[in-house]
Amino acid sequence: DIQMTQSPSSLSASVGDRVTITCRASQSISSYLNWYQQTPGKAPKFLIYAASSLQSGVPSRFSGSGSGTDFTLTISSLQPEDFATYYCQQSYSTPYTFGQGTRLEIK
Amino acid sequence: QVQLVESGGGVVQPGGSLRLSCAASGFTFSSYGMHWVRQAPGKGLEWVTFIRYDGSNKYYADSVKGRFTISRDNSKNTLYLQMNSLRADDTAVYYCAKASGPHEGRFDYWGQGTLVTVSS
Repeated sequence: DIQMTQSPSSLSASVGDRVTITCRASQSISSYLNWYQQTPGKAPKFLIYAASSLQSGVPSRFSGSGSGTDFTLTISSLQPEDFATYYCQQSYSTPYTFGQGTRLEIK
Repeated sequence: QVQLVESGGGVVQPGGSLRLSCAASGFTFSSYGMHWVRQAPGKGLEWVTFIRYDGSNKYYADSVKGRFTISRDNSKNTLYLQMNSLRADDTAVYYCAKASGPHEGRFDYWGQGTLVTVSS
């Protein structure tokens, strides 16, 4: 199975900050990397696919990059609604696996 | 708009069975693969199983293989998860999720989830 490791596990930031979350795969997954956002008590929301493509309706302050084993999610200027938990997920092969999540909290 | 509504969760004893349903609307259900993904309380996301648009292929996580069965009824726009031999570590919110077209491993829409609690 492909292991996905995110860092950091939690992060405190302020509105307007630029933040970056990293995700590492245990083997090369090309660009088969997706990102999701989850707020407490809600279902995950699909943000980014193929490492860097924004899902329709997702604000442009979100961006993704990377290929192979190392990936990043960047939020250019944090908004209050962005404080949530973020998960990376590989869609290269089954079992589809997620990172453990990065909890983004208000400083 | 795409809507996925899960039902069937509840409290069940260890070793028991439960069947979850996911009613789909707002898209051509018979054209898309579907997944179940679960989340134990306070934990991260775990993919459980996938079924192709026509039911021809199914994949399972090792943790549920042989105990859970995914199925679908395209005439009813409904996805199912039959869960047998339930264990305490199956306790979770279960989400159904739509696959993103030919990209089977992407989950582009999710239901609100249904809670399954396995406890004596």
